[in-house]
Amino acid sequence: QVQLQESGPGLVKPSETLSLTCSVSGDSISSNNYYWGWIRQPPGKGLEWIGSIYYSGYSGYTYYNPSLKSRVTISVDTSKNQFSLKLTSVTAADTAVYFCARRGDWASSRYPDAFDIWGQGTMVTVSS
Amino acid sequence: QSALTQPPSASGSPGQSVTISCTGTNSDVGGYNYVSWYQQHPGKAPKVMIYEVTKRPSGVPDRFSGSKSGNTASLTVSGLQAEDEADYYCSSYAGSNTVVFGGGTKLTVL
Repeated sequence: QVQLQESGPGLVKPSETLSLTCSVSGDSISSNNYYWGWIRQPPGKGLEWIGSIYYSGYSGYTYYNPSLKSRVTISVDTSKNQFSLKLTSVTAADTAVYFCARRGDWASSRYPDAFDIWGQGTMVTVSS
Repeated sequence: QSALTQPPSASGSPGQSVTISCTGTNSDVGGYNYVSWYQQHPGKAPKVMIYEVTKRPSGVPDRFSGSKSGNTASLTVSGLQAEDEADYYCSSYAGSNTVVFGGGTKLTVL
């Protein structure tokens, strides 16, 4: 059974960097069938895709929401089977529940292009 | 990359059918057959209900169905049940390995 679990600080100061980690169990990030990504949801609002990473061979290929691209970095630690999110220069508008999720690739996953496994989400508040 | 357009709310009585629309552009919904729908109950993570426009993951009731015409995708819930009351989000592949979500629709079972 595949499970994802987010971890990281629940409170970040304005202008600082938000850092979150997603721990994956029951599947390997190196499996080549999935994109591993981040999605956020401000309180009372809708979902926003932040970005994804696809690990193939010895390289991770990253894809970001154009509106956040200048501030976002997603990386992978295959030795720990984890992937991480860094969002720089945060403001109150970055306050949200942050989800990590697995999205199937088109060629070999069971549910192509769908986010089929989600973490429970972690609330991050940006405030001084 | 703009959010897909969904109606803020929809409603129906138990046993009835309700359809939720999701409108995009030729660069997302209209350009690819990779539209997914998600159900989200309060305080929970979203759950995929439809993928590749019309397909249901294992375990999703056949009361849920999806379709697409041009730049608009739709989710239909037939035989509404109380547990279907939730927020529903569409998403679409938007090119260059990016994804865009809709703004969400709150479904109320009257």
